[in-house]
Amino acid sequence: GQQVMQIPQYQHVQEGEDFTTYCNSSTTLSNIQWYKQRPGGHPVFLIQLVKSGEVKKQKRLTFQFGEAKKNSSLHITATQTTDVGTYFCAKGGGFKTIFGAGTRLFVKA
Amino acid sequence: DAGVTQSPTHLIKTRGQQVTLRCSPKSGHDTVSWYQQALGQGPQFIFQYYEEEERQRGNFPDRFSGHQFPNYSSELNVNALLLGDSALYLCASSLAASGTYNEQFFGPGTRLTVL
Repeated sequence: GQQVMQIPQYQHVQEGEDFTTYCNSSTTLSNIQWYKQRPGGHPVFLIQLVKSGEVKKQKRLTFQFGEAKKNSSLHITATQTTDVGTYFCAKGGGFKTIFGAGTRLFVKA
Repeated sequence: DAGVTQSPTHLIKTRGQQVTLRCSPKSGHDTVSWYQQALGQGPQFIFQYYEEEERQRGNFPDRFSGHQFPNYSSELNVNALLLGDSALYLCASSLAASGTYNEQFFGPGTRLTVL
């Protein structure tokens, strides 16, 4: 089963609204990665977080790694229709990457 | 600079048959990982190849096997296909020398349908 839990499973927003997806683990994570998969496409790497409490920004996207390194979040400010897709968090461990089930974002224009 | 390529794009097989999927990594990458993605789910790690050896494996039966060639390209073989093997099979490449920075580049995938 999944070792990283993501919520919510789905999110419908109006264009211009903000969006947040959360990723939780019962164990301490060495790192957390975020990927985006457009409908019909393949996952695309967005970022990797390693440090406790780390916050990184990419334009309208803000990524956070919890202080205890057991949770992470991705926040999108003022969503656009181009943000549509599924956002996955993934934990690295050894040479294996474990993906969450993803949060699917729908944006209504 | 070519990205990750996979072939074929789509494949239809019947139960009990065998299938081989192919992957060429991004130029300069030496590590290939394979994932199975069922509809509406996240990718599930199958195994990873580096220096022509399988160096880690996920929770998949022995029916799933692989190979990496000296040019770093890779194959995924699935024997005795089951209906439940129907999925998108993704290949991802990375560079071992990048250490714990594990940016993976995914190919477009092979959509396998088992009837």
